[in-house]
Amino acid sequence: DQQVKQNSPSLSVQEGRISILNCDYTNSMFDYFLWYKKYPAEGPTFLISISSIKDKNEDGRFTVFLNKSAKHLSLHIVPSQPGDSAVYFCAASRKAGGTSYGKLTFGQGTILTVHP
Amino acid sequence: DSGVTQTPKHLITATGQRVTLRCSPRSGDLSVYWYQQSLDQGLQFLIQYYNGEERAKGNILERFSAQQFPDLHSELNLSSLELGDSALYFCASSVGQSTPLHFGNGTRLTVT
Repeated sequence: DQQVKQNSPSLSVQEGRISILNCDYTNSMFDYFLWYKKYPAEGPTFLISISSIKDKNEDGRFTVFLNKSAKHLSLHIVPSQPGDSAVYFCAASRKAGGTSYGKLTFGQGTILTVHP
Repeated sequence: DSGVTQTPKHLITATGQRVTLRCSPRSGDLSVYWYQQSLDQGLQFLIQYYNGEERAKGNILERFSAQQFPDLHSELNLSSLELGDSALYFCASSVGQSTPLHFGNGTRLTVT
């Protein structure tokens, strides 16, 4: 049962254009969502997050949008740069009974390639 | 550099054996998390410790165990290894029990 899904295994974008990575979730109890970036031979690096009480969070070139009714979130990267080429993971978490947000449920990842 | 140190980077062992993976969290972080990334399952949460105590458990096999020591480093013990245990094992840490998590570079375990 995959509760967090990234249906696009890969995405190819030209430098300077917008990259849009998508993620769907099924568990309505999730209330915190994150995006991680991963380069080969490295661990995932936190990129940006959003709480379920918001529908948008922006940090520089990165913006995450959350549509709770559709159980969908997306990451926009504008403008895309070759250094953004990596695997992007969507993750979700829920705080139940005061326990940790650290129990993340990850999607399978999307490989982003930004061409110069 | 996330500040989370995992050793060893690579481990090759035979079925039936036991191994120990080690993790040193970022300075000041009290929570340590273990995740497994296999080809077919993606990143899966295994277990979390906070200041020496187990706080959350995921789909961790009974053959696997972990602990967090007084100096806050953590060890993940995998025993009676099977071929299917071959995976990347990531450790992550955070200041409290909240995200974001900071991940180490992982230990690649190969069971032959």
